[in-house]
Amino acid sequence: QSALTQPASVSGSPGQSITISCTGTSADVGTYNLVSWYQQHPGKAPKLMIYEVSKRPSGVSDRFSGSKSGNTASLTISGLQAEDEADYFCCSYASSSNPWVFGGGTKLTVL
Amino acid sequence: EVQVLESGGNLVQPGGSLRLSCAASGFTFTSYAMTWVRQAPGKGLEWVSAISGSGGTTYYAESVEGRFTISRDNSKNTVFLQMNSLRAEDTAVYYCAKVTTWGSRSLDYWGQGTLVTVSS
Repeated sequence: QSALTQPASVSGSPGQSITISCTGTSADVGTYNLVSWYQQHPGKAPKLMIYEVSKRPSGVSDRFSGSKSGNTASLTISGLQAEDEADYFCCSYASSSNPWVFGGGTKLTVL
Repeated sequence: EVQVLESGGNLVQPGGSLRLSCAASGFTFTSYAMTWVRQAPGKGLEWVSAISGSGGTTYYAESVEGRFTISRDNSKNTVFLQMNSLRAEDTAVYYCAKVTTWGSRSLDYWGQGTLVTVSS
């Protein structure tokens, strides 16, 4: 199963909004509303930011939002802050034999 | 407070074996599936294996099928990953993570990871 496709890097200035895309196929992102997003700061464990495409866990800022259209899911971060600078990974369910397929990750730089 | 703590990572020669442990607390352990996800140096995340709350159902990525075995001891709130026939490409930080619910397939709590290095 191929990994989901994410841009290698995105950047934005404080206060701006950015969107990270995550492109899969009709076998994963396109069929299941089971896309999640994870934030990872250097040397740290990943943190769940969005699950089931657009739901936010308790404690995650409402500046983070998720959506999906066809085979592409998106993570939008509004009102960029310095602490948002991190790597972001998307993940989707693909099949019972491959429950988690990750994207390659996107490095977000806050200018 | 939910806590997940991995241990057991080490330097091992190609072809060797290693067992990782993951101790969890702060939630009803038997009610949740657990997973192992790895991250090679400078690379992305790769799902490795998962086990149901009862331990009766296990899942493996193709890359480790037949070489790795996941298990759990619900009396000790611990998950294990037995890794055999290790290869250089298995070198990675191995994270243990709790599955939010099987229906959501998201991973809501992660440990800090344990480093496995396969090298001669």
